[in-house]
Amino acid sequence: DIVLTQSPALAVSLGQRATISCRASESVRSSMHWYQQKSGQQPKLLIYGASNLASGVPARFSGSGSGTDFTFTIDPVEADDIATYYCQQSRNDHTFGAGTKLELK
Amino acid sequence: QVQLKETGPGLVQPTQTLSITCTVSGFSLTSYYMQWVRQTPGKGLEWMGFIRSGGSTEYNSEFKSRLSISRDTSKNQVFLKMNSLKTEDTGVYYCAREAYYYYDGTYYYVMDAWGQGASVTVSS
Repeated sequence: DIVLTQSPALAVSLGQRATISCRASESVRSSMHWYQQKSGQQPKLLIYGASNLASGVPARFSGSGSGTDFTFTIDPVEADDIATYYCQQSRNDHTFGAGTKLELK
Repeated sequence: QVQLKETGPGLVQPTQTLSITCTVSGFSLTSYYMQWVRQTPGKGLEWMGFIRSGGSTEYNSEFKSRLSISRDTSKNQVFLKMNSLKTEDTGVYYCAREAYYYYDGTYYYVMDAWGQGASVTVSS
């Protein structure tokens, strides 16, 4: 199984940039996607194919990377962005990272 | 408007069978794959399996021996059944629609719509 590794938490100030990383145990090419999960809610797709914005998602969200190393960025961070962010690969079945909890400084 | 809603028992005893129904609206089950994903305190988000638009299924090897996914297209419902439940199976179970996006020569398969989740506690 492909294992995805994310750092557990990130503290940022409103208006600043937040950068979250995800490393895959083997290449997933560009089949990496990012989801946002707010407390008590279901996950929501934000980015597909490593860098493509899903429909209706604000342009302050972006993604990059290929192979095994991927980055998800929010710039600037707004109060509504406080959530946990998950990477997910679909290259070989589906696996999710453990999530990065975005917190306010 | 695309909607998915899971309904389940809430509480299940260890060794028993879990049954959850996902009722969808706004799209056809014969046009989309339907995924099941669970979220547990111990393992976070885990892909469990899916049913294709044509009705065949695929399962995560971790659950394969005790998981069954089926559907009733006339009722717009997808079903999850998992037997031999353990306390570690406590969590929230989601159904999600799988969509594909085509970009720059590649198809990407993502879960673009999710239900609100069915909370399941396994306890005696």
